[in-house]
Amino acid sequence: AQSVSQHNHHVILSEAASLELGCNYSYGGTVNLFWYVQYPGQHLQLLLKYFSGDPLVKGIKGFEAEFIKSKFSFNLRKPSVQWSDTAEYFCAVVNFGNEKLTFGTGTRLTIIP
Amino acid sequence: EADIYQTPRYLVIGTGKKITLECSQTMGHDKMYWYQQDPGMELHLIHYSYGVNSTEKGDLSSESTVSRIRTEHFPLTLESARPSHTSQYLCASSATSRSYNEQFFGPGTRLTVL
Repeated sequence: AQSVSQHNHHVILSEAASLELGCNYSYGGTVNLFWYVQYPGQHLQLLLKYFSGDPLVKGIKGFEAEFIKSKFSFNLRKPSVQWSDTAEYFCAVVNFGNEKLTFGTGTRLTIIP
Repeated sequence: EADIYQTPRYLVIGTGKKITLECSQTMGHDKMYWYQQDPGMELHLIHYSYGVNSTEKGDLSSESTVSRIRTEHFPLTLESARPSHTSQYLCASSATSRSYNEQFFGPGTRLTVL
């Protein structure tokens, strides 16, 4: 069965610092990959997604993620974080043809002004 | 505006009570899902539905049941709540027409069973 690892449980950064959150999945084959974000008191919402093509995908609010198939990874990056990026970030994977998303445990990001 | 609605947002209830968590979507989606999430843990799929009169159990065993009588409505019921059911429950939906499974989430219901 597919599993997703997010190695960083809680990350604390100062504003303007660069961010990279790790995400690794266990089962190969054709996958669709997602990063979801949950801001305090708000719905879980899609940040970005990868389905095919260019392995570097750009999402909302300046976030991007790179799919490295050989490493089973889909790390999330942002060159300069803002206080408003404080949120919980979830990586999710679905194997092509399967309907079910597998989520990681999430990373809580705290940005210090 | 197209959205997913969950009620109640917060529920504190005593052991043994029957509860129903409501989920409705105006997205026009045919697929709907229920996830359970404990603090600091991943979301676990407990139920899903591909359309009216279709329901399936997810990866995490749950004592809850679901029904799908209308496309837009996917309620979850606990016949007899217990403290072990204390958790956050998230409802989601997605469209079959898409070639990928992008799911849209509701705000969640935080359930506490005393």
